[in-house]
Amino acid sequence: NAGVTQTPKFQVLKTGQSMTLQCAQDMNHNSMYWYRQDPGMGLRLIYYSASEGTTDKGEVPNGYNVSRLNKREFSLRLESAAPSQTSVYFCASSGRQGLGEQYFGPGTRLTVT
Amino acid sequence: AQSVTQLDSQVPVFEEAPVELRCNYSSSVSVYLFWYVQYPNQGLQLLLKYLSGSTLVKGINGFEAEFNKSQTSFHLRKPSVHISDTAEYFCAVSRGTSYDKVIFGPGTSLSVIP
Repeated sequence: NAGVTQTPKFQVLKTGQSMTLQCAQDMNHNSMYWYRQDPGMGLRLIYYSASEGTTDKGEVPNGYNVSRLNKREFSLRLESAAPSQTSVYFCASSGRQGLGEQYFGPGTRLTVT
Repeated sequence: AQSVTQLDSQVPVFEEAPVELRCNYSSSVSVYLFWYVQYPNQGLQLLLKYLSGSTLVKGINGFEAEFNKSQTSFHLRKPSVHISDTAEYFCAVSRGTSYDKVIFGPGTSLSVIP
């Protein structure tokens, strides 16, 4: 099992450009999440998908959109990147609803210039 | 609303010395508690969890944590650290709703000095 995979690992964008971060899990988990990690702020939830076919906003959704393509895949799109979106992005999944144990991908390091 | 506080942003400790990383949470309902570890340039992985039962929880790599409901704390301890324990440690709380929404603390950077 690969667990949770993310692509790309690194990306540099210019302000105003768009991109999609891809995430896939092979653990048959129902729930998937996108976080951003910034120094001194821990992880902040951007969007989550409690189950296939549903998505909801997290703590910091502005400037992002998501798609739960199927049970395995959950993508995050930046329509018009801004320097404030420079961060490390993590995708996670969870198979035990209501308990909070999550499995994380290796992260995507995004720089917006 | 829930929140998680990690009082120490950085903890330097000599190799083979004991360490305690502090975590306090606020919640008006019962919660599940977690410690995650993040090694450099990697994602987070679960170190240990408290769901119910015994308040002393043992995790991987010799770590343990004690749940104290009256003090709303979940401190992480290890009696003797190794260089390989150098990492960022995150305390987290879940309310156990219909989805696994988890609130993470800001993290504590543990540096083990040889």
